[in-house]
Amino acid sequence: SQTIHQWPATLVQPVGSPLSLECTVEGTSNPNLYWYRQAAGRGLQLLFYSVGIGQISSEVPQNLSASRPQDRQFILSSKKLLLSDSGFYLCAWSEETGGYTFGSGTRLTVV
Amino acid sequence: QKEVEQNSGPLSVPEGAIASLNCTYSDRVSQSFFWYRQYSGKSPELIMSIYSNGDKEDGRFTAQLNKASQYVSLLIRDSQPSDSATYLCAPSRGTGRRALTFGSGTRLQVQP
Repeated sequence: SQTIHQWPATLVQPVGSPLSLECTVEGTSNPNLYWYRQAAGRGLQLLFYSVGIGQISSEVPQNLSASRPQDRQFILSSKKLLLSDSGFYLCAWSEETGGYTFGSGTRLTVV
Repeated sequence: QKEVEQNSGPLSVPEGAIASLNCTYSDRVSQSFFWYRQYSGKSPELIMSIYSNGDKEDGRFTAQLNKASQYVSLLIRDSQPSDSATYLCAPSRGTGRRALTFGSGTRLQVQP
């Protein structure tokens, strides 16, 4: 069966520090992968999506970037975090039915 | 106009009642529709999908779709306090790159 792993679960980082969040998928090949951010009490904001290795599409210009070095690995990064980067970060992959399956998320607090 | 409109709530219903959650969407190309439940502090989980006009029942959940009216709803029968969560509506344009568009969600509170 397909599973999606996301870590870490929580992270507290100072302003200006770098960020690296990792997501891996098991049990499927060549999945479409997504990074979302959810600010407190808000909806899901699509940040990046990828249809294959090295193929990244950015939805919102900001100081975040994404990479897909392997078929089932998706990484979200930042060189210098801002306070506004705080939020709940979710990785997801799309199934053949069209629905998405989400990872457990990373709660990032920038202080 | 937002692509997906949901009443943010909170929608408060007593335990055992029927909760009715509504969603309208603007993209007429949408083919499939998904409902997600998100508990506070947790990630969304898929609870229902519907692909054709009419009703689809799964346990206490019924999804209703009317593509002509661009309207989809979720009914929860015999509501339980454990159903208290935010429910996200997500129309899909297919299995392409950016398939799903999520609504902001409706917060449901089931009062014991």
